[in-house]
Amino acid sequence: NAGVTQTPKFQVLKTGQSMTLQCAQDMNHNSMYWYRQDPGMGLRLIYYSASEGTTDKGEVPNGYNVSRLNKREFSLRLESAAPSQTSVYFCASSSRTGTVLNTGELFFGEGSRLTVL
Amino acid sequence: QKEVEQNSGPLSVPEGAIASLNCTYSDRGSQSFFWYRQYSGKSPELIMSIYSNGDKEDGRFTAQLNKASQYVSLLIRDSQPSDSATYLCAARGVSGGSYIPTFGRGTSLIVHP
Repeated sequence: NAGVTQTPKFQVLKTGQSMTLQCAQDMNHNSMYWYRQDPGMGLRLIYYSASEGTTDKGEVPNGYNVSRLNKREFSLRLESAAPSQTSVYFCASSSRTGTVLNTGELFFGEGSRLTVL
Repeated sequence: QKEVEQNSGPLSVPEGAIASLNCTYSDRGSQSFFWYRQYSGKSPELIMSIYSNGDKEDGRFTAQLNKASQYVSLLIRDSQPSDSATYLCAARGVSGGSYIPTFGRGTSLIVHP
């Protein structure tokens, strides 16, 4: 029962370096999300993918790009890391249906702690 | 801008007491509501969801929803030190074809022996 798997769990970068956070889910979910969590700021949505083949910006997309590689995988790329991107990043997935209300629960990965020096 | 507001706390309660966590939301289109628990250094995990006005009970947890007042609460009965965590409230609508929950900033709960 892997659920949502994120790699790496920890990463230290220097300003200007690039890196990709990987996320994979094995629950056959349609929707996937990337959040960042900073102290006192709660969870802020960076990008999401409502279904395979689509991606959309969330609340704080600047400085990030995403790729929905297939139904299982959704990656987050930092092209030129900045100290302001020091954060904990969570990938999440959920089922997505039409008008059924009792869906939408997010399943989270364990998080990736990123430090940019 | 959809907003979900929570008191950041910390809310401190003695072991065995009832902890009451509150949340308000701005979007009247929100129809599904969730409470997540997040231990320090861990990822959020769902503990309750509620969709209809009224109360929903699951063990020691009771979620309450009042759509007219745009208010959601979580009651934890017989609080235990293991309940010490941050509790995140989230609201989700069904418009636009995407079901993106909006999260509050979380309330820190401390249950002391």
